[in-house]
Amino acid sequence: EVQLVESGGGLVQPGGSLRLSCAVSGFTFRNYWMYWVRQAPGEGLVWVSRINPDGSYTNYADSVKGRFTISRDNAKNTLYLQMNSLRAEDTAVYYCAKDLALSDNGAEFDYWGQGTLVTVSS
Amino acid sequence: DIQMTQSPSSLSASVGDRVTITCRASQSIRSDLSWYQQRPGTAPKLLIFSASSLQSGVPSRFSGSGSGTDFTLTISSLQPEDFATYYCQQSYTNPETFGQGTRVEIK
Repeated sequence: EVQLVESGGGLVQPGGSLRLSCAVSGFTFRNYWMYWVRQAPGEGLVWVSRINPDGSYTNYADSVKGRFTISRDNAKNTLYLQMNSLRAEDTAVYYCAKDLALSDNGAEFDYWGQGTLVTVSS
Repeated sequence: DIQMTQSPSSLSASVGDRVTITCRASQSIRSDLSWYQQRPGTAPKLLIFSASSLQSGVPSRFSGSGSGTDFTLTISSLQPEDFATYYCQQSYTNPETFGQGTRVEIK
């Protein structure tokens, strides 16, 4: 059974940092592109970042570029999102998601984690 | 960025009704479109990819159609578990963008 389990969310002050983790099981993690998608309270879905299977390529939404860093540890089957210089507008549930296609950047998200809430407030 | 516009934003329907949701892209996205269902408090679930391909395990009452800029999600006979919010998403180009969502409520 495919599982993605996020952790690391919480309350942080503006300007602070958090690192989210997404532990996966049930598939060969090192073969898939992975993503972070966020959803502000009561709002829609927004793509945040992607990373290729070996971690050599990353890509970000303009709204987080220069502040967030996506990474992965294929030996630990874990995806990360390091979030620095957090702003109130970063408040959201953050989901990790798996690409449908093996070794391809199709950006069709077939499995999602349960989400972890990040609240940026003083 | 490609803008994705869904209509309606919400609808009320009864169990057994046929429901159609539309999604329009601001430019052609070929057939690079997915549909997701999100129930309250849960993660989105992939229903349809490549505009019309049914994801494994998804009931056949869900179907998708369209190409270019105009797409449709149809639920042939609405079931109680289908009351949720539905999102379209283009994967034609980065950044991948989602529609604003269509909330399907019980009449």
